[in-house]
Amino acid sequence: KAGVTQTPRYLIKTRGQQVTLSCSPISGHRSVSWYQQTPGQGLQFLFEYFSETQRNKGNFPGRFSGRQFSNSRSEMNVSTLELGDSALYLCASSSGSGDQPQHFGDGTRLSIL
Amino acid sequence: QKEVEQNSGPLSVPEGAIASLNCTYSDRGSQSFFWYRQYSGKSPELIMSIYSNGDKEDGRFTAQLNKASQYVSLLIRDSQPSDSATYLCAVPYSSASKIIFGSGTRLSIRP
Repeated sequence: KAGVTQTPRYLIKTRGQQVTLSCSPISGHRSVSWYQQTPGQGLQFLFEYFSETQRNKGNFPGRFSGRQFSNSRSEMNVSTLELGDSALYLCASSSGSGDQPQHFGDGTRLSIL
Repeated sequence: QKEVEQNSGPLSVPEGAIASLNCTYSDRGSQSFFWYRQYSGKSPELIMSIYSNGDKEDGRFTAQLNKASQYVSLLIRDSQPSDSATYLCAVPYSSASKIIFGSGTRLSIRP
């Protein structure tokens, strides 16, 4: 069974640009969550999508947005990039029922110059 | 009180000893609990799930759950240098339909 796939793995952007990250969940998983992780920091929850609807949202500015497609694939968009957006962005999928764990992709490392 | 609390460490343990990692949570309705291991620069990897009070063993890893006291722990026996990583506790919250991650405990196994 294929795992969670995130693309691209690495990305370099400049301030003010926008970026779109992609996540393909494990087959059959309907929930996709996104996290930001900066060096030495814990996982900061961005949002969760379930069946194409945003089910939960963290405390990030509106520059961070996402969506989920009917095949459960998800994209995350960050507009007007800031230096502080440099981080590892992780996607995790699960069945969506409360008692099942999340499985993470390898992440996208975003660097802002 | 944080929803899921872990000691940030670092926890330094000699090779071959038992490493003990603890996690407390605030939602009494939580029914499942997960431990993840994260190596530096890598993504978290699920290593243990536990759903019932008591112990669950998997190789050198043992997860312990005490719902009455609202804590879950992870024991690593015969610690190896390759066990050096950050360990994250995760608890699905019944009230919010989401998983809450602790901030992680950094474990260092010294040869």
